[in-house]
Amino acid sequence: GAVVSQHPSWVICKSGTSVKIECRSLDFQATTMFWYRQFPKQSLMLMATSNEGSKATYEQGVEKDKFLINHASLTLSTLTVTSAHPEDSSFYICSARNPAANHNEKLFFGSGTQLSVL
Amino acid sequence: AQRVTQPEKLLSVFKGAPVELKCNYSYSGSPELFWYVQYSRQRLQLLLRHISRESIKGFTADLNKGETSFHLKKPFAQEEDSAMYYCALASGGYQKVTFGTGTKLQVIP
Repeated sequence: GAVVSQHPSWVICKSGTSVKIECRSLDFQATTMFWYRQFPKQSLMLMATSNEGSKATYEQGVEKDKFLINHASLTLSTLTVTSAHPEDSSFYICSARNPAANHNEKLFFGSGTQLSVL
Repeated sequence: AQRVTQPEKLLSVFKGAPVELKCNYSYSGSPELFWYVQYSRQRLQLLLRHISRESIKGFTADLNKGETSFHLKKPFAQEEDSAMYYCALASGGYQKVTFGTGTKLQVIP
């Protein structure tokens, strides 16, 4: 089946530094990727939708300058948390849409990245 | 705006008992609804999709447009069903996918 690789799986950084998270579709071309944030015991909150070759669409309340998204190729999207602060600590999950997949499953998830900002 | 509501954060049932995980949605168009499952320390994976009308691992879900619900059901719970279950709604050809808050299913042996 289709695989989405997310890297790193966990990262610890100092306050004020930037962290980049990568999301790769390994065996399909993903025209659309989604970035979610998950707080402990809470739902996945959609942060932004990333379309290859165009600017990401951010959800209301998500700071564009804080969470930079780049979808430079059909297999890679990156999320950069700039000037991270402790309140940015969270579990970030990406998902990729495979337009060529059958109707039963078009959305595939990465394994997530646990970010801890000290 | 689209919204998915899962009223129960935790559902505990005994092994062999029936299970029903509730999901209600709000969307003005024709929704595509899904149930995703997340086992401990694993990634989210699709359980079932309303269009396929399949039974996966004994689970079924019927879309009720009148009640705007998509409840997940299983007649006899098994211990391996213990996991987090998320109801999700996709619109615009998967251009936007919204998740509910999730329900933790705990099957007691």
